[in-house]
Amino acid sequence: QITLKESGPTLVKPTQTLTLTCTFSGFSLTTTGMGVGWIRQPPGKALEWLSIIFWDDDERYNPSLNNRLTITKDTSKNQVVLIMTNIDPADTATYYCVHRNYYCSGDSCHGINAFDIWGQGTMVTVSS
Amino acid sequence: DIQLTQSPSVLSASVGDRVTITCRANQGISNFFAWYQQKPGKAPSLLIHAASTLQSGVPSRFIVSGSETEVTLTISSLQPEDFATYYCQQMKIYPLTFGGGTKVE
Repeated sequence: QITLKESGPTLVKPTQTLTLTCTFSGFSLTTTGMGVGWIRQPPGKALEWLSIIFWDDDERYNPSLNNRLTITKDTSKNQVVLIMTNIDPADTATYYCVHRNYYCSGDSCHGINAFDIWGQGTMVTVSS
Repeated sequence: DIQLTQSPSVLSASVGDRVTITCRANQGISNFFAWYQQKPGKAPSLLIHAASTLQSGVPSRFIVSGSETEVTLTISSLQPEDFATYYCQQMKIYPLTFGGGTKVE
């Protein structure tokens, strides 16, 4: 059974750096196709994809965050960390950690090309 | 970026109704659509991937149809547990993007 759980501060001051940790179980981020990503949702608003890191160390970021994001993985701890710099009140949101298992080799693709498992989310408020 | 426009943003319906939600993309994304359901205070859950494949455990009353730039999610007979917000997503091109959501109330 795959589970993911987010952890981090609930309150952050503007201009500070936010560090969120996703601790997962039920899979290894060294297995071909595996990816762990982050998605956020401001209160009452839609979902926004932030970043994802893959088994092969490939990293992708949402350019709308203006290079404020860094994602890393620690496969020995089964953790993925998202760092967001220069925090602003507009970053107030629930942050979700998500799982994806999908890869293509030649013309053959395997897994589910979507975020099939979500963490419970962690609410982060940015306020002075 | 690929923009996804969902309509309607709010849908009022009753148990037993047939409801339809549309998701339009500003460029072709083939079958790289996914749909999620989110209930209040909960994380979203995957309903459909690869445009029309139901995730394990999702009832068959959820039906998807469409084209390269527009997909329609239909709930054939709305059940009490289906009152939620639904989001479409494209998984073809980074940055991955979501629609604005449709609340079924």
